Amino acid sequence: DAMVIQNPRYQVTQFGKPVTLSCSQTLNHNVMYWYQQKSSQAPKLLFHYYDKDFNNEADTPDNFQSRRPNTSFCFLDIRSPGLGDAAMYLCASGSSYNEQFFGPGTRLTVL
Amino acid sequence: GENVEQHPSTLSVQEGDSAVIKCTYSDSASNYFPWYKQELGKGPQLIIDIRSNVGEKKDQRIAVTLNKTAKHFSLHITETQPEDSAVYFCAASRKSGYSTLTFGKGTMLLVSP
Repeated sequence: DAMVIQNPRYQVTQFGKPVTLSCSQTLNHNVMYWYQQKSSQAPKLLFHYYDKDFNNEADTPDNFQSRRPNTSFCFLDIRSPGLGDAAMYLCASGSSYNEQFFGPGTRLTVL
Repeated sequence: GENVEQHPSTLSVQEGDSAVIKCTYSDSASNYFPWYKQELGKGPQLIIDIRSNVGEKKDQRIAVTLNKTAKHFSLHITETQPEDSAVYFCAASRKSGYSTLTFGKGTMLLVSP
């Protein structure tokens, strides 16, 4: 089945230790999104790619970076995780018809 | 920018009752309105959406209505079941070839047997 896949599902890192989260999609969508979701809150958009064009939200900290090496894959890099970065990270893909389809998320714990 | 208000924040109903969740948006240019269901520990799942050229859309037990003049849209779930228990998010987006969604804060729906 076509879908959005995120790995790992759970990630534990230490304060300040870089971490990379990965996302892949088999929907052949040209847009991919990264969201941060904290407990009892709505997803918050960090950035998105339209094809290879990177679009950063104005309030996304510099600590968060992203890479999209090809249509199917997108990575979220957190350069120096702080305790406040502990959250669920959601990847989504979307088409020109506006729909966004989310992956299962990666739960990040920062010790 | 767009602002989406969602009410209520929590909703408890008995199995078989109907549930209604309401959202208002601020940007009159928004024209795509999806609803997501998020179960605990999972990603949001798109359950229904509506575009601004349509006033109502139904899919089995769920329906969405849109009032562009008043800038509000609502999710209606009939004959609720315990498995409908989840957090529901509304969202709004301008059509620009693809969407960037502004989410409401979510409604926790609890359906009691």
